[in-house]
Amino acid sequence: SQTIHQWPATLVQPVGSPLSLECTVEGTSNPNLYWYRQAAGRGLQLLFYSVGIGQISSEVPQNLSASRPQDRQFILSSKKLLLSDSGFYLCAWSVPTGSNSPLHFGNGTRLTVT
Amino acid sequence: AQSVTQLGSHVSVSEGALVLLRCNYSSSVPPYLFWYVQYPNQGLQLLLKYTSAATLVKGINGFEAEFKTRETSFHLTKPSAHMSDAAEYFCAVSQNTGFQKLVFGTGTRLLVSP
Repeated sequence: SQTIHQWPATLVQPVGSPLSLECTVEGTSNPNLYWYRQAAGRGLQLLFYSVGIGQISSEVPQNLSASRPQDRQFILSSKKLLLSDSGFYLCAWSVPTGSNSPLHFGNGTRLTVT
Repeated sequence: AQSVTQLGSHVSVSEGALVLLRCNYSSSVPPYLFWYVQYPNQGLQLLLKYTSAATLVKGINGFEAEFKTRETSFHLTKPSAHMSDAAEYFCAVSQNTGFQKLVFGTGTRLLVSP
């Protein structure tokens, strides 16, 4: 069966420090991968998605970047964190075809920028 | 572009009472619709999905939703609430871009009192 792992579960970082959040998927090949951010009371915002290695699409301009160095690995990064980067970050995957396939989410990373 | 609106950021019910969480969609093409549940500090779990088969969709944990074209609605219901149903619920619509790209509502927090 497929599983998705996200780490760390919680992170407290000072303003201006770098960020690296990692997500890996097991049990499937060539998944679509996604990074969402959830801010309190604002639902989920799609940040990045990827349909293949090295292929990254950004949904909103921001202080973050994403990379996909391997088929089942998705990394969210920042060179210098801002206070506004605080939030709950969720990685997700879906099968590579079809608009009717569900997203499968990791357990998220709670990021607090101080 | 497709979108969903969830009416009511909070819904309170008593244990054993009917649960009704509202979701209205906007779409220029027949949509694919999803309901997800999120427990505190966890990722999102798929409850059910509508993909143009039966209009009444049954999901996990006794939840179901009915797709109504004329009302552009996809409300989530459960006949009898349980304390363990307390969580946040998200409605989502697929963007039909050829690969999976979900747009989420702002969520409804369900509170269940004894």
